[in-house]
Amino acid sequence: AQSVAQPEDQVNVAEGNPLTVKCTYSVSGNPYLFWYVQYPNRGLQFLLKYITGDNLVKGSYGFEAEFNKSQTSFHLKKPSALVSDSALYFCAVTMNSGYSTLTFGKGTMLLVSP
Amino acid sequence: GAGVSQSPSNKVTEKGKDVELRCDPISGHTALYWYRQRLGQGLEFLIYFQGNSAPDKSGLPSDRFSAERTGESVSTLTIQRTQQEDSAVYLCASSPTGVRGTEAFFGQGTRLTVV
Repeated sequence: AQSVAQPEDQVNVAEGNPLTVKCTYSVSGNPYLFWYVQYPNRGLQFLLKYITGDNLVKGSYGFEAEFNKSQTSFHLKKPSALVSDSALYFCAVTMNSGYSTLTFGKGTMLLVSP
Repeated sequence: GAGVSQSPSNKVTEKGKDVELRCDPISGHTALYWYRQRLGQGLEFLIYFQGNSAPDKSGLPSDRFSAERTGESVSTLTIQRTQQEDSAVYLCASSPTGVRGTEAFFGQGTRLTVV
């Protein structure tokens, strides 16, 4: 079985400060990892993914995430937060074998204050 | 179309009635997924279609839930004898292939309220 944990229901950060949204995963085998963002009244949008290769992955809107195999983590980061980054963020995992269904975390609400 | 389209966007139904939710995937996408998002919770996988292969129905919560897909086009999710716990946002996503690592494109969802 595969699972994802997002330990924080909400993350608060001031605009201009760095942000981190945490994600840990559990799979048997090599994971494929994703981050999606959900803005109010909108569908989920793909941000970035890790498949293989460089552990630091860069994605849309200046976001990046670092794959850490020893800690089974895939934390989402941004050097300087914007108010417009306020949204619900989901981490997801799929295994590199078997079905390609994505297993999502429960989501973390990011609130960036002016 | 330009994106994944779901209809209706909102549906209010009485307990015990049947509902049908529709998803139009991006043209040419062979993989299609249905997820359920309950308030304050993550996305719960329901069912996955890949081309003409048998669908993965392992996420359907009960036999009141069923889904169909015609070829690589429209999919419908049917909930029979709706219950209040079925209230949620139902999200559909499609992907160019079923290959792992290919990102999924989501529709805006259908918000179902069972009263």
